[in-house]
Amino acid sequence: QVQLQESGPGLVKPSGTLSLTCVVSGISISSGNWWSWVRQSPGQGLEWIGEIYHTGSTNYNPSLKSRVTIAVDKSNNQFSLNLRSLTAADTAMYYCVTRPFIQNYFDHWGQGTLLTVSS
Amino acid sequence: DIQMTQSPSSLSASVGDRVTITCRASQNIRTFLNWYQQKPGQAPNLLIFAASSLQSGVPSRFSGSGSGTDFTLTISSLQPEDFATYYCQQSFNAPPFTFGPGTKVDLK
Repeated sequence: QVQLQESGPGLVKPSGTLSLTCVVSGISISSGNWWSWVRQSPGQGLEWIGEIYHTGSTNYNPSLKSRVTIAVDKSNNQFSLNLRSLTAADTAMYYCVTRPFIQNYFDHWGQGTLLTVSS
Repeated sequence: DIQMTQSPSSLSASVGDRVTITCRASQNIRTFLNWYQQKPGQAPNLLIFAASSLQSGVPSRFSGSGSGTDFTLTISSLQPEDFATYYCQQSFNAPPFTFGPGTKVDLK
């Protein structure tokens, strides 16, 4: 059974950097899946942030690309998100998500981790 | 980027009702359209992919249809566990992937 579990700081100051980790279990991160981050602002809709393949190939949302880095750690079967220059607008629930390589739907989601940007 | 809209933004219905939610894309996305259900405090859950294919384990009362720019999600007989928010998501020429703003279904 595929499971994803996010972990992160919960609270970050404005202008700071967010670092989140997603631990994957039940499947190798080197399998034929893409590994994504999706966020949801309080009471708002869903925004795709970016994704990574186990080879290190990445795709990012153009709206966030200048501030985002996604990396993969195959030895620990996990991947991570770094989001820089945070503002209050980045306050959101952050989900790690996966999609099969040749498919374009997200079939497994983590439970999410809430980030608040505040001084 | 392709923009997605949904209507209505919310609706009230009773158990047993037939419910239809509409999703519209800003350009032709063929059948690259997926539907998710999100309950309060939970992550979204995939219901329908490729416009009309039912994800494994999803009850058959859920169905999807459409192609091009107009799509629908239908719940044939609303059950108590179906009160939730529903999102469409396009994957044509993705990434980037974009989601609709959501439709909240609550109890009348």
